[in-house]
Amino acid sequence: QTVVTQEPSFSVSPGGTVTLSCGLNSGSVSTSYYPSWYQQTPGQAPRTLIYSTNSRSSGVPDRFAGSILGNKAALTIAGAQADDESDYYCVLYMGSGIWVFGGGTKLTVL
Amino acid sequence: QVQLVESGGGVVQPGGSLRLSCAASGFTFSSYAMYWVRQAPGKGLEWVAFIRNDGSKTYHADSVKGRFTVSRDNSKNTLYLQMNSLRAEDTAIYYCAIDGGAYDFGYWGQGTLVTVSS
Repeated sequence: QTVVTQEPSFSVSPGGTVTLSCGLNSGSVSTSYYPSWYQQTPGQAPRTLIYSTNSRSSGVPDRFAGSILGNKAALTIAGAQADDESDYYCVLYMGSGIWVFGGGTKLTVL
Repeated sequence: QVQLVESGGGVVQPGGSLRLSCAASGFTFSSYAMYWVRQAPGKGLEWVAFIRNDGSKTYHADSVKGRFTVSRDNSKNTLYLQMNSLRAEDTAIYYCAIDGGAYDFGYWGQGTLVTVSS
């Protein structure tokens, strides 16, 4: 069974930089999985941040960047702000019409 | 502007059925594939279903296969999710989303809550 792994939680200081990861329980994440990233604050619908590994969605500040680091997809947030405190989800396209979300990372800015 | 408005959620008994709708506006609905994604209370996101822009191809997650069916009516700019044989574990907020063109969920509606309980 495919499991997409994310850190359950992470913290960053205001103004700092944090990198969240998105991996697979077996194998490496590559651009062929079209990793995308979503931000969700409590009670709100998710918002698309990054698609196709490193393309920013419309209106997303360039403080958010997607990449492949080692064998995982990564979301780097630079110059963290208080309103970046959210849950972040990645999703991978596994092929054959199957998408798998990671469990999400709860980011705290303090 | 793009709008997706889900409706049809509510409380249903185990084994019951419900049909969710997602009314789309602000874009050419018939040109875009669509998704359903759900989120159980306090849990993460789970992909549920995909449908091509013309309805010619659909995919469903294993957890709902054989019980849920995604469909669309392009003349009404509406996406549907028919949910049968509902279980307690189907309790969740159900979101519809537009395909962003790169196997991503480009834009999300606000969701509708489905509660399966006796």
